Amino acid sequence: SQQGEEDPQALSIQEGENATMNCSYKTSINNLQWYRQNSGRGLVHLILIRSNEREKHSGRLRVTLDTSKKSSSLLITASRAADTASYFCATDLNDYKLSFGAGTTVTVRA
Amino acid sequence: ETGVTQTPRHLVMGMTNKKSLKCEQHLGHNAMYWYKQSAKKPLELMFVYSLEERVENNSVPSRFSPECPNSSHLFLHLHTLQPEDSALYLCASSQGHNYGYTFGSGTRLTVV
Repeated sequence: SQQGEEDPQALSIQEGENATMNCSYKTSINNLQWYRQNSGRGLVHLILIRSNEREKHSGRLRVTLDTSKKSSSLLITASRAADTASYFCATDLNDYKLSFGAGTTVTVRA
Repeated sequence: ETGVTQTPRHLVMGMTNKKSLKCEQHLGHNAMYWYKQSAKKPLELMFVYSLEERVENNSVPSRFSPECPNSSHLFLHLHTLQPEDSALYLCASSQGHNYGYTFGSGTRLTVV
């Protein structure tokens, strides 16, 4: 069953702007992961944040996790056209059932 | 290439056909997964194999039959599919818990 839900469903921004998307989930997690998917291809793993971590960075990506609110956010700074993709959060309950949300579609306009 | 290779990339099959999807990883991962991605729907976990044993069968119809002969290879055998089975089928592998998954590029399946 779907555990995470992303918000917004779609986001359109100008190149150079920041993009923020959120993920909410329902039950306690072992970790939360963010993935990117370009146009019907496979998913690419971006960041994994453990339940005892609050923030992680990877290049232009920043992920936060608030376990009290059961929510996470992904920030992409200084967006580029190549960041146009769908972004998914996924929750790991430590049971081999990584559960994905429906995704946020991000369009970066030149 | 991500290290997880799926073949074929595209497949069109009739409802009475039998076909197989293949997935191969040489990343040394010990778990492999099949996911189904339909339009406008979240990814659906179908099957999980850990150390070559099936640990999850997520209420998938019997017309889908997985096979994991070794830790590097995973198959999905298809027979008498329905048009609603048309989707992108994604294979993934991982080192286990607390590790990200590595996905293949997927097989775009169309059932006619």
